Amino acid sequence: DTAVSQTPKYLVTQMGNDKSIKCEQNLGHDTMYWYKQDSKKFLKIMFSYNNKELIINETVPNRFSPKSPDKAHLNLHINSLELGDSAVYFCASRRSGIDTGELFFGEGSRLTVL
Amino acid sequence: AQSVTQLDSHVSVSEGTPVLLRCNYSSSYSPSLFWYVQHPNKGLQLLLKYTSAATLVKGINGFEAEFKKSETSFHLTKPSAHMSDAAEYFCGANFGNEKLTFGTGTRLTIIP
Repeated sequence: DTAVSQTPKYLVTQMGNDKSIKCEQNLGHDTMYWYKQDSKKFLKIMFSYNNKELIINETVPNRFSPKSPDKAHLNLHINSLELGDSAVYFCASRRSGIDTGELFFGEGSRLTVL
Repeated sequence: AQSVTQLDSHVSVSEGTPVLLRCNYSSSYSPSLFWYVQHPNKGLQLLLKYTSAATLVKGINGFEAEFKKSETSFHLTKPSAHMSDAAEYFCGANFGNEKLTFGTGTRLTIIP
């Protein structure tokens, strides 16, 4: 069983479209994150949810909207896609009480905007 | 400002020789520190972590890291490189907030 699973793994779309990436974790964790990895491999946190509540919202365009229907799921919806949104998006989770840095990552969703 | 710096973007070593990947942090206090590994087209996997206990930390796959407060460093080492160690390595720090801040990564290449 995959601990943190993301779908889709690859996504190719046109500028201006709207797309979603889904993430599910079966580890029983209650905190989930979205990270963006650019073409130079730089990793930057975007959002974090704890028990469905938004706790971190970095400086991200409001075209990006996370949604957490329950603590096992964190989805990312992107409106009006731009070329600069092309990246690999990673979902991660952790358990409360464990140091904030001990994260479990999904395998990533590679988004290509043409 | 709090930050993590990985001094080398790319390191190449021969198989069987030691590996050294360097990481420094900038903070007014000692953060929790981590090393993650990312194999091609995969997510990040935790290698080891320092959380104010022993300064020499052992991780998976024979990797170790030593926390040196005086040098604000947390360098990753392995005595003998294996071909399977070829990957991207990320140093990360928790500066007391809810997030993990990463360095820019070091790509490790192993020469047969």
